[in-house]
Amino acid sequence: DAGITQSPRHKVTETGTPVTLRCHQTENHRYMYWYRQDPGHGLRLIHYSYGVKDTDKGEVSDGYSVSRSKTEDFLLTLESATSSQTSVYFCAISVGQGVETQYFGPGTRLLVL
Amino acid sequence: GEDVEQSLFLSVREGDSSVINCTYTDSSSTYLYWYKQEPGAGLQLLTYIFSNMDMKQDQRLTVLLNKKDKHLSLRIADTQTGDSAIYFCAENFSGNTPLVFGKGTRLSVIA
Repeated sequence: DAGITQSPRHKVTETGTPVTLRCHQTENHRYMYWYRQDPGHGLRLIHYSYGVKDTDKGEVSDGYSVSRSKTEDFLLTLESATSSQTSVYFCAISVGQGVETQYFGPGTRLLVL
Repeated sequence: GEDVEQSLFLSVREGDSSVINCTYTDSSSTYLYWYKQEPGAGLQLLTYIFSNMDMKQDQRLTVLLNKKDKHLSLRIADTQTGDSAIYFCAENFSGNTPLVFGKGTRLSVIA
């Protein structure tokens, strides 16, 4: 357990509604990531952050935005949810000095109807 | 571009050894990882290896790296039913850069 929590853990929403997922860490690590997991695709990077207000896009960033106003929280927003965004979303942090490794949160299961 | 390939399924008998294979294309990869995912859970880091190493052993786990062929394998000795899970191979250039994952290998252990 690397001190990562995700909220909510489960969510059902309707197409066209905004959704925000939260990732919280307790240890002030600089790097945080959002991935999505889909059958047949493994995990794919959505966005990541390398510091407060410093973010970059990943492979599947269309339809998503992120914000990081403080070190411990990294928010993922679906501005207008679509059925193709039904997925399991994982947050990760990079931990270590010299040898950094990534640890994952428990995931958020999102269903868009 | 980066790509990581894994076979999708593996079935072994309890007590036997399991070998999960992975190939990657990015020769600049510096770190290679194995993660385990149990049903309904997040990803658990099992082990990692630097690209300048050939082998790493950690209790029942042995990682072999063939840099020439860009081939990585994870051997689990004395496989137990608790080892049933999806195993992901992943790579990155440095510890902080985002990971590129394979699609995962589902290991089923038959009692």
